[in-house]
Amino acid sequence: NAGVTQTPKFQVLKTGQSMTLQCAQDMNHEYMSWYRQDPGMGLRLIHYSVGAGITDQGEVPNGYNVSRSTTEDFPLRLLSAAPSQTSVYFCASSYKAYNSPLHFGNGTRLTVT
Amino acid sequence: AQRVTQPEKLLSVFKGAPVELKCNYSYSGSPELFWYVQYSRQRLQLLLRHISRESIKGFTADLNKGETSFHLKKPFAQEEDSAMYYCALSGGNSGGSNYKLTFGKGTLLTVNP
Repeated sequence: NAGVTQTPKFQVLKTGQSMTLQCAQDMNHEYMSWYRQDPGMGLRLIHYSVGAGITDQGEVPNGYNVSRSTTEDFPLRLLSAAPSQTSVYFCASSYKAYNSPLHFGNGTRLTVT
Repeated sequence: AQRVTQPEKLLSVFKGAPVELKCNYSYSGSPELFWYVQYSRQRLQLLLRHISRESIKGFTADLNKGETSFHLKKPFAQEEDSAMYYCALSGGNSGGSNYKLTFGKGTLLTVNP
């Protein structure tokens, strides 16, 4: 199993541009989520999904959209990039929606200039 | 609301010394607590969870509901323990918050030779 795969690894955007961060898992996990990691802030939940067709907001959802059309994929869309969205983004999945350990991707380092 | 506090951003110890990484939480129900670790150039991974009551790589953590703490301990630190450690809380299996894993801001542990 590849586990949780994120692409791209690095991305530079200009303010106002849009892009999609890809996340795929091959473990048939029910739950998927997106976090951003910022220095001194830890990991903050952006959006999550408890199954195909179901998504919900986390702690810091503004400026991001998600969809879950299949069990495997959970893309994160930046609608109009802002410098405040410069961060490292992690996708994570778990077998069940609760009380299951998260499996993380390698992260995407995004810089918005 | 659920909250996780890791009071130390940085912790430095010498090899062979005991180490304790502090974690305090705030949650009104029965929490599920985890410790995650991120070694240099590796993805974030689960270290241990309180319901397992296990020791991983010599680390243990006991849930103290009276003090609302879940401190991570190791009697003899090794250089390879140097990493970023995150305490995390899930709201058990009651209510909507069970889908949200809340992380602390992390403690960077450095074990010196």
